[in-house]
Amino acid sequence: GAGVSQSPRYKVAKRGQDVALRCDPISGHVSLFWYQQALGQGPEFLTYFQNEAQLDKSGLPSDRFFAERPEGSVSTLKIQRTQQEDSAVYLCASSWHGDRDNEKLFFGSGTQLSVL
Amino acid sequence: RKEVEQDPGPFNVPEGATVAFNCTYSNSASQSFFWYRQDCRKEPKLLMSVYSSGNEDGRFTAQLNRASQYISLLIRDSKLSDSATYLCVVLTGRRALTFGSGTRLQVQP
Repeated sequence: GAGVSQSPRYKVAKRGQDVALRCDPISGHVSLFWYQQALGQGPEFLTYFQNEAQLDKSGLPSDRFFAERPEGSVSTLKIQRTQQEDSAVYLCASSWHGDRDNEKLFFGSGTQLSVL
Repeated sequence: RKEVEQDPGPFNVPEGATVAFNCTYSNSASQSFFWYRQDCRKEPKLLMSVYSSGNEDGRFTAQLNRASQYISLLIRDSKLSDSATYLCVVLTGRRALTFGSGTRLQVQP
């Protein structure tokens, strides 16, 4: 596709439920990032992949959060046993190069997660 | 203390006004700086990079003061379409981009 695609666009989960959020980056983009954006805040870094390698997961808030990109393209962010504080927009972004041209990020429209 | 700090606003200005946003960053090792724009319920998009020498893109001017660890964005002749949240963003070392909380601008007719 022409841009970064995320699905679902909206997800409502009951507290304790597991969720999986999908990101399909721009074809050929090496770097992929996940960010969490709470209402009224800027995006907060969660994790970063270069191809299939997860190079930085320092932003994941707890061990309930897990991300993967097994074939270096599509990525999935999984949240286990969701809590109300997990409610946020989850943004995926990708960029061309693995050589730190990461400032030119292209973002998807995000998945808005609401945990009841 | 947050790594990137911005005044959240909102800044309410009339069309045609000049408005300036400021941002400070805490890590002196930060090497690259940007402004992103985010419309309501949309994803962030790169507005412009920020260089020490200052740079201009049409009605937008960005400045960086490394000594004070301070970044600014000036918008001249504001348009209704400029209404958005402006995110100050820094790149430090090999880490991912760090975003500020954003400054909301509302341009009024």
